[in-house]
Amino acid sequence: NAGVTQTPKFRVLKTGQSMTLLCAQDMNHEYMYWYRQDPGMGLRLIHYSVGEGTTAKGEVPDGYNVSRLKKQNFLLGLESAAPSQTSVYFCASRFSGPSYEQYFGPGTRLTVT
Amino acid sequence: GQQVMQIPQYQHVQEGEDFTTYCNSSTTLSNIQWYKQRPGGHPVFLIQLVKSGEVKKQKRLTFQFGEAKKNSSLHITATQTTDVGTYFCAGPEVSSARQLTFGSGTQLTVLP
Repeated sequence: NAGVTQTPKFRVLKTGQSMTLLCAQDMNHEYMYWYRQDPGMGLRLIHYSVGEGTTAKGEVPDGYNVSRLKKQNFLLGLESAAPSQTSVYFCASRFSGPSYEQYFGPGTRLTVT
Repeated sequence: GQQVMQIPQYQHVQEGEDFTTYCNSSTTLSNIQWYKQRPGGHPVFLIQLVKSGEVKKQKRLTFQFGEAKKNSSLHITATQTTDVGTYFCAGPEVSSARQLTFGSGTQLTVLP
């Protein structure tokens, strides 16, 4: 099992450009999450999904959109990148239920200039 | 909204010394999870505590969940260089147990 994979690993964008980050998991998890991690601020939830075709906003959703067309994939889109979106992005997934642990992908380091 | 605070933010110890990080929630938690992130890596689940006053051990790591289920601690005995990383606690959101609120983490440096 590959677990949770993320594509790409690194990306540099110019302000105003768009891009999509792909997260894939092969563990048949129902729930999937997108976080951003900035120095000293821990992990902040951007959007999440509790099943195919459903998404919900997290703590910091502005400037991002998501889609979950297939159970195993969760896409994060930036329509018009801003320097404030420079960060490391982590995808995570877990089984449904009250107390299952989250499995994280390796992360995508995004720089917006 | 719910807040999960962790202290200290940074800790430097000599190899062999003990280390403790503390986690405090603004709300009562149904459970608390701990994760470790190595430098340049991704968070990895360590353990979950569910019961009031629960204590769990993993080799040199001891995890405690407070009686009021609003605080938790992670203690490492006789640190090793392999313990280097950032330790995060996380608790379910009050509004939706589907989400976790992460603490800001404690970054541990172990000096050889």
